[in-house]
Amino acid sequence: DGGITQSPKYLFRKEGQNVTLSCEQNLNHDAMYWYRQDPGQGLRLIYYSQIVNDFQKGDIAEGYSVSREKKESFPLTVTSAQKNPTAFYLCASSIGGGSGANVLTFGAGSRLTVL
Amino acid sequence: EDQVTQSPEALRLQEGESSSLNCSYTVSGLRGLFWYRQDPGKGPEFLFTLYSAGEEKEKERLKATLTKKESFLHITAPKPEDSATYLCAVRGGANSKLTFGKGITLSVRP
Repeated sequence: DGGITQSPKYLFRKEGQNVTLSCEQNLNHDAMYWYRQDPGQGLRLIYYSQIVNDFQKGDIAEGYSVSREKKESFPLTVTSAQKNPTAFYLCASSIGGGSGANVLTFGAGSRLTVL
Repeated sequence: EDQVTQSPEALRLQEGESSSLNCSYTVSGLRGLFWYRQDPGKGPEFLFTLYSAGEEKEKERLKATLTKKESFLHITAPKPEDSATYLCAVRGGANSKLTFGKGITLSVRP
């Protein structure tokens, strides 16, 4: 079955450490996204990529980095510069830009906790 | 700047008690309004896309409607399995990004 796989599901990090969240899709979608979800807040866009080897900052990119070396993969690194990294992270994909970008398919999420 | 406000924040219903969830939006040139369902600890699942005022879509006990300023998600005779958080999002003409509301947590008691 086609879908988006995020790993790990749960991750604990010590302060000062970088961690990388994995996101892989087999939907043949061109666009991929990373969102952050905090209690009582809407989903906030961290980074997005519409094609391989290209990505743009979202609304809250500070302290995060991404790469898009393959169409199927869009890993997110949470760096030590991120002041409050404890959150639920969601990866999503869509067919492409324009009207095709509307419907997002989400992964199951990764919950990061900073100890 | 696109804005989405969902109300109420939480809603508790008895099984079979119909109700509506509200999504008010401000957007420059609406390209689409979207409803998603999210179960605890999981990713959102797509429900509906609405593109123009007057449009309606249905799926089982859910019916989504759209006006120029708001959308309603009507739930008819809900069951406990309808308990979830319902997210509303809009896409305006200025960019390809979605703006999400904070969500409405629905709890249906048997």
